[in-house]
Amino acid sequence: GQNIDQPTEMTATEGAIVQINCTYQTSGFNGLFWYQQHAGEAPTFLSYNVLDGLEEKGRFSSFLSRSKGYSYLLLKELQMKDSASYLCAGAAGNKLTFGGGTRVLVKP
Amino acid sequence: EAQVTQNPRYLITVTGKKLTVTCSQNMNHEYMSWYRQDPGLGLRQIYYSMNVEATDKGDVPEGYKVSRKEKRNFPLILESPSPNQTSLYFCASSLVVPTGGHSPLHFGNGTRLTVT
Repeated sequence: GQNIDQPTEMTATEGAIVQINCTYQTSGFNGLFWYQQHAGEAPTFLSYNVLDGLEEKGRFSSFLSRSKGYSYLLLKELQMKDSASYLCAGAAGNKLTFGGGTRVLVKP
Repeated sequence: EAQVTQNPRYLITVTGKKLTVTCSQNMNHEYMSWYRQDPGLGLRQIYYSMNVEATDKGDVPEGYKVSRKEKRNFPLILESPSPNQTSLYFCASSLVVPTGGHSPLHFGNGTRLTVT
């Protein structure tokens, strides 16, 4: 099976940078996803990493280290609209397992 | 517009009264899945379907049934709901199995179910 761990909550200031960490223990790992979920809404896809390294998409970047079982999502130039939960999900075989989500609160 | 539509958005019912939550996607996706989301527990998979007439149990299937008679529809059935099934439910679909970057999950808007 898989075990996905991420912090429950983080607070940051508008314009700052926040890094959300995710650790996983899994056999047959074949990729890691990040989804964003605003309160009361559906999760939406942000990024996917299968190889080690950093993938950048505008203000959001995601990093993966397969040897360390570790990923992070980096949110730069934070905006109020980035206040949401960020879900880490590990893929192994045909299965996708979600972590509990990290709620990010952006303050003015 | 490409979307996953689930209904109803909100449902309050009583213990033991059978209910169905519908889910439909218009993207010709092969893979569909149901999740429940509870505080502190994240999204947990109830059932999934790789294609028509192919369904399988996820991590928390007890008390639920599904069917996949057509590619676009994947209803979730609670034959005898109980209070521990009070939760936020999401239907999701993807082109194929959602374990690759080319096939992320598309989620419906959720159904908040309360069983009293």
